[in-house]
Amino acid sequence: RKEVEQDPGPFNVPEGATVAFNCTYSNSASQSFFWYRQDCRKEPKLLMSVYSSGNEDGRFTAQLNRASQYISLLIRDSKLSDSATYLCVVNINLDSSYKLIFGSGTRLLVRP
Amino acid sequence: DAGVTQSPTHLIKTRGQQVTLRCSPKSGHDTVSWYQQALGQGPQFIFQYYEEEERQRGNFPDRFSGHQFPNYSSELNVNALLLGDSALYLCASSYGGPNQPQHFGDGTRLSIL
Repeated sequence: RKEVEQDPGPFNVPEGATVAFNCTYSNSASQSFFWYRQDCRKEPKLLMSVYSSGNEDGRFTAQLNRASQYISLLIRDSKLSDSATYLCVVNINLDSSYKLIFGSGTRLLVRP
Repeated sequence: DAGVTQSPTHLIKTRGQQVTLRCSPKSGHDTVSWYQQALGQGPQFIFQYYEEEERQRGNFPDRFSGHQFPNYSSELNVNALLLGDSALYLCASSYGGPNQPQHFGDGTRLSIL
């Protein structure tokens, strides 16, 4: 089983749609959580951190359920520019160091 | 303020050769992590350097080694290249511990013939 699992998609939605991505993680030592966005042939860029209480940044809302080891990202009012791959990322603390574990990503295609 | 810079941007090697990739972290960052990203996959953690020491490693063979210099820049070395080593190699830097996000460079695209 992968440490971080995501639905690969692609999710093909019209402009203005609301779309939700889910992610599950297996390591209970996971301490912090992020969503990154990656455009085709580009580097990943931080979209938002995910907090236990849930957090919102404009049209984007992230939720974390530690008991279920589940993370979600909701995008409202989709724009063409939202088309990208969304990577769920979990930070695992081990001893005095840490490492980021990435999911395989979920592709989003927003059509006119 | 320069972000994370990596060199070279593209590289073509043949099986059995050795390669060195370079990374300069974002100004003020002291931790460098390296990732391998195969086509259609998420980045896979190779290792992390802090205070010139490797302090965490992913599931990669000993052919993958690295180094961090006093100025926090880092190198990734891969020996005895295999066809399967063809990938995008990403460097990310950070400061302040695990809850701080990592900033990625543009990557080095390595092709093995």
